[in-house]
Order: sequence, then C-alpha cells, then structure tokens
Amino acid sequence: DQQVKQNSPSLSVQEGRISILNCDYTNSMFDYFLWYKKYPAEGPTFLISISSIKDKNEDGRFTVFLNKSAKHLSLHIVPSQPGDSAVYFCAVQRGDSSYKLIFGSGTRLLVRP
Amino acid sequence: SQTIHQWPATLVQPVGSPLSLECTVEGTSNPNLYWYRQAAGRGLQLLFYSVGIGQISSEVPQNLSASRPQDRQFILSSKKLLLSDSGFYLCAWGRGVGGDNIQYFGAGTRLSVL
Repeated sequence: DQQVKQNSPSLSVQEGRISILNCDYTNSMFDYFLWYKKYPAEGPTFLISISSIKDKNEDGRFTVFLNKSAKHLSLHIVPSQPGDSAVYFCAVQRGDSSYKLIFGSGTRLLVRP
Repeated sequence: SQTIHQWPATLVQPVGSPLSLECTVEGTSNPNLYWYRQAAGRGLQLLFYSVGIGQISSEVPQNLSASRPQDRQFILSSKKLLLSDSGFYLCAWGRGVGGDNIQYFGAGTRLSVL
C-alpha cells in the first residue's frame, strides 16, 4: 500500500509559466516533508522541505505548500526554466525517531522553451 | 563540506555472479547511511539503513545484504545476482533523527544483470 503518491507521472509546462507538482500522503503521523530533484543517471538532490508546523516554505523560485487536513503537498516553481526539466520526488518522514524517508514514485517535469 | 562517493557508475554482471557496491562519505562523522534502489519508472525503495558501525536494518527481504565496516563506509553485496536485481542503486547519508532528516545522495550505480 503506497503511503506517498504522486499521481501525475509527467507534466509539461511552457518556459516562464508556473509548474505545480503534487503529492498526497496517507499517514497523519508524517511531520516532515521534502522535495528532491533528479536528473537522469544522477542521484537525487535535495530541493526544499517543510515541517508540519508550517503551511508554506519558500526558497527563490521554489515554494512548497502543505495542507495537513487534506494530506496534500505541492511544489510550485515560478517561473519555470528549461533547466528545471527533471524528475521530482516528494518524500515524507515521521518525526518519532524515524531515520527513514518514504518516497513517492516521481513526476517527470518537462519545461518547453 | 560533506561529499559522498559511490562506485562503480555502471556495472554489467551475469546472473549468479557476486556483487559488491561501495559507498563512502567524507567530511562528517557518524552519519546515517542508506541504500536505495530505483527500478525502471519507479520511485526510490529503501533497502537498508545504518545508524552506526555494524548496525544494519533491512527494509525488504531480498537477495542483497549490506555491511558497514567503518564509520563512513557502506557496502551493498550479493552472493548470487538475480535478473530482478537490475536497477539503479543509490547510496545516501543523513544527519538527523526525526525532524530535518535531509538525506544526500551519491551519483548512483546502474546495475544490469544479464
């Protein structure tokens, strides 16, 4: 049973527009949420995170929104650039001394010039 | 600064052969270490993690094993590879317990079992 779901396997966006990537989770005990970006044949790189005490975290062009009641996480990229084309994974963690991250299946973003 | 090294980058092995993938971390001490596998078109599946030398936790039953002989060294092994072991293997390190457990990944090893 998937605890973290990224229901859109792919997304295509025009350069300069907003990219919105979504992630849903099932367990209300998760309290730390992360987004990773992955290029082909490379390891994922950490992008941005948010704890459950917040509903928004912003870092430059990247903003993560958390809706705890809906168990929904989203990543907004504004403006989108061709270099943002990659696979984006959301990951979740339980705060009760868990060392583990649980990853979604990823969304492939293509930003068209 | 911390760096993580993983090798080899690609590996082609026949079915039934042994496997040893190595991962080392520099610039930090007593990191948490992780092995993940990404099958084609799938997400990242946690295989093993370690919070200290000689301490290994296995997440899924499988044909693989892990060892941590030194503080910053993590090894993924198999005695006899199966076709289903093919995939992209990633090593990662992290610092936190509970909140703020950002994990940092190596470049990965593409394993093809033929």
